[in-house]
Amino acid sequence: DAGVIQSPRHEVTEMGQEVTLRCKPISGHDYLFWYRQTMMRGLELLIYFNNNVPIDDSGMPEDRFSAKMPNASFSTLKIQPSEPRDSAVYFCASSQGTATDTQYFGPGTRLTVL
Amino acid sequence: DAKTTQPPSMDCAEGRAANLPCNHSTISGNEYVYWYRQIHSQGPQYIIHGLKNNETNEMASLIITEDRKSSTLILPHATLRDTAVYYCIVRGSGGSYIPTFGRGTSLIVHP
Repeated sequence: DAGVIQSPRHEVTEMGQEVTLRCKPISGHDYLFWYRQTMMRGLELLIYFNNNVPIDDSGMPEDRFSAKMPNASFSTLKIQPSEPRDSAVYFCASSQGTATDTQYFGPGTRLTVL
Repeated sequence: DAKTTQPPSMDCAEGRAANLPCNHSTISGNEYVYWYRQIHSQGPQYIIHGLKNNETNEMASLIITEDRKSSTLILPHATLRDTAVYYCIVRGSGGSYIPTFGRGTSLIVHP
């Protein structure tokens, strides 16, 4: 398996623009997670899905952030409108089965909002 | 959910064992101890996990104290490529518990 795939790897945009980050989890994994990492706040969980259904989005910063998982092999994290404080590395991870299963992380998307 | 406490940084000489401690004094009986590491600019990588017994795999060993209030990750022969941030996490079995990554320990392996 190719592992968790994220695109793009780098994104530079201007304040106010819409940004869409994409993730393909490992085939057969039931859980998908979106994290954000900054120097100030470390690695934060934004939202996670189980069998394509959002389970907990309490980590989503505000209404400008939204996430979808239309099928088992694809998820998006959208920021509209983007702001400079959204600049961070966004990671997607997936895991199989229960909450004790190992999470496998993608390479991340480095987002810079000017 | 149990919280963990780790030293912010450690260093180790190449070829020596690196022993990374973690305190999880509020861990409950059904919570596992997980270790991940994050090499600069990459996504976190799973290393090892355990419940009560000590565990070993090709990457590391995990020693959990009998009262389960603390654990130690051991990299038996550290290399420069082991320089990374190491996260100790406790996770429940079942339910919807999702791990919280703290600040971890920044391990620097020097020549």
